Amino acid sequence: DAGVTQSPTHLIKTRGQHVTLRCSPISGHKSVSWYQQVLGQGPQFIFQYYEKEERGRGNFPDRFSARQFPNYSSELNVNALLLGDSALYLCASSLTDRVQRGGPNEQFFGPGTRLTVL
Amino acid sequence: GENVGLHLPTLSVQEGDNSIINCAYSNSASDYFIWYKQESGKGPQFIIDIRSNMDKRQGQRVTVLLNKTVKHLSLQIAATQPGDSAVYFCAENFMNYGGATNKLIFGTGTLLAVQP
Repeated sequence: DAGVTQSPTHLIKTRGQHVTLRCSPISGHKSVSWYQQVLGQGPQFIFQYYEKEERGRGNFPDRFSARQFPNYSSELNVNALLLGDSALYLCASSLTDRVQRGGPNEQFFGPGTRLTVL
Repeated sequence: GENVGLHLPTLSVQEGDNSIINCAYSNSASDYFIWYKQESGKGPQFIIDIRSNMDKRQGQRVTVLLNKTVKHLSLQIAATQPGDSAVYFCAENFMNYGGATNKLIFGTGTLLAVQP
């Protein structure tokens, strides 16, 4: 079975450009979350989507936006790129939008997209 | 692949020894905690989890301990193997105003280096 897939694997952009990153969740999973991981740090939460609706947003500027499609895949868009946006962008999928009482709602992470802003 | 372990605290152990990785979490309202393993060039991989109504949980070769009084988690790996070399993160589930979500707050990570 395919896990979470992300595209592209690597991307190089220049300051001021915009970028679109894509994620396909595990089949049957309806929730997608996006995380930014700067080199040497832990992932930081950006967005969570469930059934095409935004369910959570981290402390990121409005230059960051996302959406989820009817097939539960998702796109992360970043406008007016800055050097500090260089990071590994991770997508995680899970069955539902929240931790279930009495059991975990495991998030499965994709391999990430490495974005370099020059 | 890239080195995700740059500038991270490092734990160096001999193959076969036991490893203990520690983590302090931030939110006293968090009630669900997870340990992840991240190898170079890959996304985080689930290892073991624990809910706040427990103080210990065991898996295969791994044990997680939770001390809510001091907001501290630890991951114990028995008989550490070279394949255990990776960056390890603890994560807490953030309980927002409307109830639980999947939002995870990650710690800074520890690089485990296993010497053969």
